[in-house]
Amino acid sequence: KNEVEQSPQNLTAQEGEFITINCSYSVGISALHWLQQHPGGGIVSLFMLSSGKKKHGRLIATINIQEKHSSLHITASHPRDSAVYICAVSGFGNEKLTFGTGTRLTIIP
Amino acid sequence: GAGVSQTPSNKVTEKGKYVELRCDPISGHTALYWYRQSLGQGPEFLIYFQGTGAADDSGLPNDRFFAVRPEGSVSTLKIQRTERGDSAVYLCASSLGPGTGDNEQFFGPGTRLTVL
Repeated sequence: KNEVEQSPQNLTAQEGEFITINCSYSVGISALHWLQQHPGGGIVSLFMLSSGKKKHGRLIATINIQEKHSSLHITASHPRDSAVYICAVSGFGNEKLTFGTGTRLTIIP
Repeated sequence: GAGVSQTPSNKVTEKGKYVELRCDPISGHTALYWYRQSLGQGPEFLIYFQGTGAADDSGLPNDRFFAVRPEGSVSTLKIQRTERGDSAVYLCASSLGPGTGDNEQFFGPGTRLTVL
């Protein structure tokens, strides 16, 4: 079974700061997903990646397959970025997701 | 187009009762997933359908839980003899399916189940 760990569990930062959230996993994967969950809200997919780097607006996701590690970066953070960010992985031949416990991000104006 | 929808959004029931939770995936998505999220935890996998068949039901906690997807579209998660420990948010997701080169999963808003 793949063990997915995220750090930090909680992160509070000032508006405008550069944010990094880390994810590591124990077994080789077919893809890694970064998801966003607002309080009381549903889950939104931010990125799905299997190698390299992806960018969408102020969000950047990177993955190092050899080191079994991924990072999610937020540039010029804003209070509306406050949410729980969840890392999840899918294995080869089975697309079910194994999730980390999430990182609760709070951006203070 | 419409996203994944789930009904009801909230369900309160008494211990021992039977409940059904419904998921309506995105049209054309052949893969459908059920996950469960307890308070303060990340979601956990329950069952995955490819078309009408359950491709992986290894996450169902016990035989009180059962899910169907008879026509390869709408799915129903059924829980018999509910217990207080079943209280959680039940999430459904759908995707185009493996082999398509795009297995991004789209999540519904969830059904919050409370067992009193």
